[in-house]
Amino acid sequence: AQKITQTQPGMFVQEKEAVTLDCTYDTSDPSYGLFWYKQPSSGEMIFLIYQGSYDQQNATEGRYSLNFQKARKSANLVISASQLGDSAMYFCAMREISTGGGNKLTFGTGTQLKVEL
Amino acid sequence: DTEVTQTPKHLVMGMTNKKSLKCEQHMGHRAMYWYKQKAKKPPELMFVYSYEKLSINESVPSRFSPECPNSSLLNLHLHALQPEDSALYLCASSQDPGVRSNEQFFGPGTRLTVL
Repeated sequence: AQKITQTQPGMFVQEKEAVTLDCTYDTSDPSYGLFWYKQPSSGEMIFLIYQGSYDQQNATEGRYSLNFQKARKSANLVISASQLGDSAMYFCAMREISTGGGNKLTFGTGTQLKVEL
Repeated sequence: DTEVTQTPKHLVMGMTNKKSLKCEQHMGHRAMYWYKQKAKKPPELMFVYSYEKLSINESVPSRFSPECPNSSLLNLHLHALQPEDSALYLCASSQDPGVRSNEQFFGPGTRLTVL
């Protein structure tokens, strides 16, 4: 069974600073996908970044980058130049393809990020 | 159109009521999902539809009944719910059910309160 672990329930960062949100995972599937989602207080889940297990380079999307260390089974999210609007819950998730079709997302417990002035 | 819409935004219902949640996407996605999320917890998968057929049911109680009338629409019919079913219900869609790299696009959710 797949497992995603986020060990930081809450994080604080000063505006314009960089912050790293931790995510470790466990799976026996050699082919897997890792995602990060942001969930503001309004509730909507916003896709941020994706890393495939066979991708040679770490994924980047604007101010978001993923520090993927396959041997350590970690996929940490780095947010550069934090903004007040980055304050939200952040979820790491792993996807497996079901034999019946469709993808199953398993989420970590999330990290609540607060950006301060 | 790159969004998933959900109606209603909020719903309050009694334990004897029957209600439905609606989800719609016009991105041509062929997989659609229902998730349940309790406060301060991660979303939990309930159902997956792949090409309008139910492909995953995560042992959800029968008082929740999903329906996929066409490739753009997903409903969740609710009947005889319990107070512990109060939660945020999220709908999502993805382009190709069999491709790992396809991200899921989520709607804003329906906040359900069962009295």
